Amino acid sequence: AQSVTQPDIHITVSEGASLELRCNYSYGATPYLFWYVQSPGQGLQLLLKYFSGDTLVQGIKGFEAEFKRSQSSFNLRKPSVHWSDAAEYFCAVGAGAGGGADGLTFGKGTHLIIQP
Amino acid sequence: GAVVSQHPSWVICKSGTSVKIECRSLDFQATTMFWYRQFPKQSLMLMATSNEGSKATYEQGVEKDKFLINHASLTLSTLTVTSAHPEDSSFYICSASLSRAYEQYFGPGTRLTVT
Repeated sequence: AQSVTQPDIHITVSEGASLELRCNYSYGATPYLFWYVQSPGQGLQLLLKYFSGDTLVQGIKGFEAEFKRSQSSFNLRKPSVHWSDAAEYFCAVGAGAGGGADGLTFGKGTHLIIQP
Repeated sequence: GAVVSQHPSWVICKSGTSVKIECRSLDFQATTMFWYRQFPKQSLMLMATSNEGSKATYEQGVEKDKFLINHASLTLSTLTVTSAHPEDSSFYICSASLSRAYEQYFGPGTRLTVT
């Protein structure tokens, strides 16, 4: 069965500092990997996704993520965070672009706090 | 971009009553819709997958008689929580996609509180 682990429940970063959110996955086949952001009162917004090809993927809002098959990881990074980046971040894995027949499996999320 | 709405955004109901939550794709036709449940400080757990005009496929452990899902049109899916109990209190999120091969777009969620 597929699973996603986000080891950090909370992360606090100063505004302007760099950010890395960790994600490890377990999946029996080639994974489709996603990072979503969830803000209060808003739906999940897709930041970026990885299907194949270049293992460093660029997303919206200045985020990027690197797929490392040997480490089963898909960590999210941003060189300089803004106060508006404070939110909940979810890593997810699926069998296809739309999640495949089984939908998406999500990690428990990382709550990002931005210090002024 | 594709927009998915949910209604209501927040609902309180008494134990033993039923409540219906709507999920609409506003600017595209969604052949596939997913329903997720999210407990506080927890991840999203897939409850069921529905295809327009077909019966929903429920995940293991999800009571199909309690969580009735109807995907009657390409823009609307409904989740009815029947005979609700306090333990059904949760955040319910739907997503919609053109098909399983395409990206899922998520609704803003519905907060259900059963008293």
